[in-house]
Amino acid sequence: AQSVTQLDSHVSVSEGTPVLLRCNYSSSYSPSLFWYVQHPNKGLQLLLKYTSAATLVKGINGFEAEFKKSETSFHLTKPSAHMSDAAEYFCVVSETGRRALTFGSGTRLQVQP
Amino acid sequence: DAGVIQSPRHEVTEMGQEVTLRCKPISGHDYLFWYRQTMMRGLELLIYFNNNVPIDDSGMPEDRFSAKMPNASFSTLKIQPSEPRDSAVYFCASRSPIGSPDTQYFGPGTRLTVL
Repeated sequence: AQSVTQLDSHVSVSEGTPVLLRCNYSSSYSPSLFWYVQHPNKGLQLLLKYTSAATLVKGINGFEAEFKKSETSFHLTKPSAHMSDAAEYFCVVSETGRRALTFGSGTRLQVQP
Repeated sequence: DAGVIQSPRHEVTEMGQEVTLRCKPISGHDYLFWYRQTMMRGLELLIYFNNNVPIDDSGMPEDRFSAKMPNASFSTLKIQPSEPRDSAVYFCASRSPIGSPDTQYFGPGTRLTVL
């Protein structure tokens, strides 16, 4: 069975400072991992995905994530936060051969001016 | 590409009424998924289709919920009768058979309020 744990329900940073959103996963097989972002009252937008190619994945809007199999982690980072980054972020896992996605509980990112 | 289209965007109804949510997937996508998002339970998969055939409906909460996909470009999620605990945002997503097969593209959602 696959599962995702987002370690922080809420993260607050100042504009211009680094962002770190933490995610650990559990999967019986080789997983695909994703980060999605949801802005208030909006749908879900794909930020980036890992599908067993490079372990460091670059996404949109300056975000990136590193897949660490030994730590079963897929943390999302950004060097410098922008006010527009304020949103809810979901870490998602999909096992190879399965079709359904399993979502983490979400991390709400606040960016202070 | 217009992306996944959902209608209505907002629905307010009274308990006991029938509610129908609609979804148009991205053209050429062969998988369609229905999700529900609530504060208490987060994002949950309700059901998904492959080539218009329901594959897994184990997430459908109870018999009051039903979903259909009569053709490749249209799906409905129906709740009859609706209850206040059905209040949630319902998302539809579709997936391409080529390229990055695991990636799902989400619609903007339908916010359902049952009074």
